Amino acid sequence: DQQVKQNSPSLSVQEGRISILNCDYTNSMFDYFLWYKKYPAEGPTFLISISSIKDKNEDGRFTVFLNKSAKHLSLHIVPSQPGDSAVYFCAASGDGNAGKSTFGDGTTLTVKP
Amino acid sequence: DGGITQSPKYLFRKEGQNVTLSCEQNLNHDAMYWYRQDPGQGLRLIYYSQIVNDFQKGDIAEGYSVSREKKESFPLTVTSAQKNPTAFYLCASSRGVYTEAFFGQGTRLTVV
Repeated sequence: DQQVKQNSPSLSVQEGRISILNCDYTNSMFDYFLWYKKYPAEGPTFLISISSIKDKNEDGRFTVFLNKSAKHLSLHIVPSQPGDSAVYFCAASGDGNAGKSTFGDGTTLTVKP
Repeated sequence: DGGITQSPKYLFRKEGQNVTLSCEQNLNHDAMYWYRQDPGQGLRLIYYSQIVNDFQKGDIAEGYSVSREKKESFPLTVTSAQKNPTAFYLCASSRGVYTEAFFGQGTRLTVV
């Protein structure tokens, strides 16, 4: 049973518009959530995180929202840029240990110029 | 520059042979991790180590072994017991709780 799900394998948006990537989880013990960006044949790079005591965290163009009651989080990218095109992974951990995260299968974002 | 170095980037081995993947970090992180990624899937945790000379199994440890003799190094051995060893392997480290993990560039292992 997959504990972290990214139900949209791909997303295509126009440059300058908002990108919204979604993630659902089933384990109520998860208390730390992260988003990573990944290019093919490279390691993931950290984008933004949020702990369960918050419902929103912003960093520049990136905002993560957490809805604990719905067990749902989303990543908003505004405005989207062609360089944002990559695979985005949602990850969750149960004791704040990001290295022991459970990952979703990823969403491929394509930003068209 | 601080970071995580995985070598080699590409590795080919014959079926039945053991192979060791290297992971070195100069970030002074206590914790290190090994993940596996298969096409179209997320990362799955193989082994992790919170401190030197100690390591724990992750979700898919069967057919793998690790050692942690130095803080900087966490090599992964893919043994002949691993049924589907062909995959992209990622090493990571972190400095503590509620902080992100830093990943290496990965090693693509192909077993023929």
